[in-house]
Amino acid sequence: ELKVEQNPLFLSMQEGKNYTIYCNYSTTSDRLYWYRQDPGKSLESLFVLLSNGAVKQEGRLMASLDTKARLSTLHITAAVHDLSATYFCAVALLRSARQLTFGSGTQLTVLP
Amino acid sequence: GAVVSQHPSRVICKSGTSVKIECRSLDFQATTMFWYRQFPKQSLMLMATSNEGSKATYEQGVEKDKFLINHASLTLSTLTVTSAHPEDSSFYICSASTSNTEAFFGQGTRLTVV
Repeated sequence: ELKVEQNPLFLSMQEGKNYTIYCNYSTTSDRLYWYRQDPGKSLESLFVLLSNGAVKQEGRLMASLDTKARLSTLHITAAVHDLSATYFCAVALLRSARQLTFGSGTQLTVLP
Repeated sequence: GAVVSQHPSRVICKSGTSVKIECRSLDFQATTMFWYRQFPKQSLMLMATSNEGSKATYEQGVEKDKFLINHASLTLSTLTVTSAHPEDSSFYICSASTSNTEAFFGQGTRLTVV
């Protein structure tokens, strides 16, 4: 059974600071997703990481994947209030790229 | 990315009644659709996987007679919550994909059973 552990669960940070969210998973996978969810809304796709060593960046967010360590990180640089949301990582089983197991989510609050 | 439309976005129903939620892929044909449930402050939990033209596969602990899934065409899957009770109140999200694409998520449906 694939298990996905995400931490921290809650993150409160000040604007301008940097922080990293971690996502560990238990079985072999080569496809990892990061999503953003605003209150009352569905998921917004942020990144798809497909191979070991993959790194993707969009604005103040950067995601990386280490398949050997079964670890992905989402790094936030110089946080701004608009980044406040819940962030989920999700992992797909091999040969089942579309069925996802989600981490518990990280509720990020960026304080002025 | 591809567009998946979910309807309704919000629904309130009385306890004991049934509610149908639709999930449509608007610009592609979805061979597989997934239904997730999300309780407040929690993550998404997969309920079932539906493939067009065949019976849905339910995750352990999900009652297939209570959560009826129909995937009659390549662009439409429906989830019917039968004899709804307050504990069924949740946020239901569908996703859709083809055989070689990632899954795209609908907008979600907030179900409140009173």
